[in-house]
Amino acid sequence: KAGVTQTPRYLIKTRGQQVTLSCSPISGHRSVSWYQQTPGQGLQFLFEYFSETQRNKGNFPGRFSGRQFSNSRSEMNVSTLELGDSALYLCASSVSGDTQYFGPGTRLTVL
Amino acid sequence: QQQVKQSPQSLIVQKGGISIINCAYENTAFDYFPWYQQFPGKGPALLIAIRPDVSEKKEGRFTISFNKSAKQFSLHIMDSQPGDSATYFCAASKTSGSRLTFGEGTQLTVNP
Repeated sequence: KAGVTQTPRYLIKTRGQQVTLSCSPISGHRSVSWYQQTPGQGLQFLFEYFSETQRNKGNFPGRFSGRQFSNSRSEMNVSTLELGDSALYLCASSVSGDTQYFGPGTRLTVL
Repeated sequence: QQQVKQSPQSLIVQKGGISIINCAYENTAFDYFPWYQQFPGKGPALLIAIRPDVSEKKEGRFTISFNKSAKQFSLHIMDSQPGDSATYFCAASKTSGSRLTFGEGTQLTVNP
């Protein structure tokens, strides 16, 4: 099976802009979780979607949002970008929220 | 109560040696404990995972030891190889949810 794919792999934006990141889970996986990875804060949970519904949410401001489509593909959106949003954004898929497999991530740089 | 503490922050081991990374958790509701390996520019890759009903799990050169009463678990890498040089993360979650709480990470360097 193909692994988790994320697009784009790299992204450069300026403060105040918004960005949309995409994640395609492993075939048959219905749960998609998003994480933010930074040198200072490490790996932090953003949210999880299962069958198109947000099932769990981390402690991030409302500027961070996501959605999941009927084919389990997921997108996350960050509005009004801040310098501190520069990070590696990781998507993980699982069958139903158990063992999670991560994609390669999207490296977002905010200037 | 959601924290997972990981040590050491960095570790240097000679080829053939044993690498040991430790983690401690606070939330007694956690019942799934995976370890991930991450190489630069890549996403974390699942190495091995354990649930509290066993005290040890071994897969190849990788072993997890779990101490439920102490709320601690550790990763042992036997016969460490230069190719094992990476950052290792412990994590914890509840079976009822997929939210992984990660440790701070350990940068392992295995010298040839």
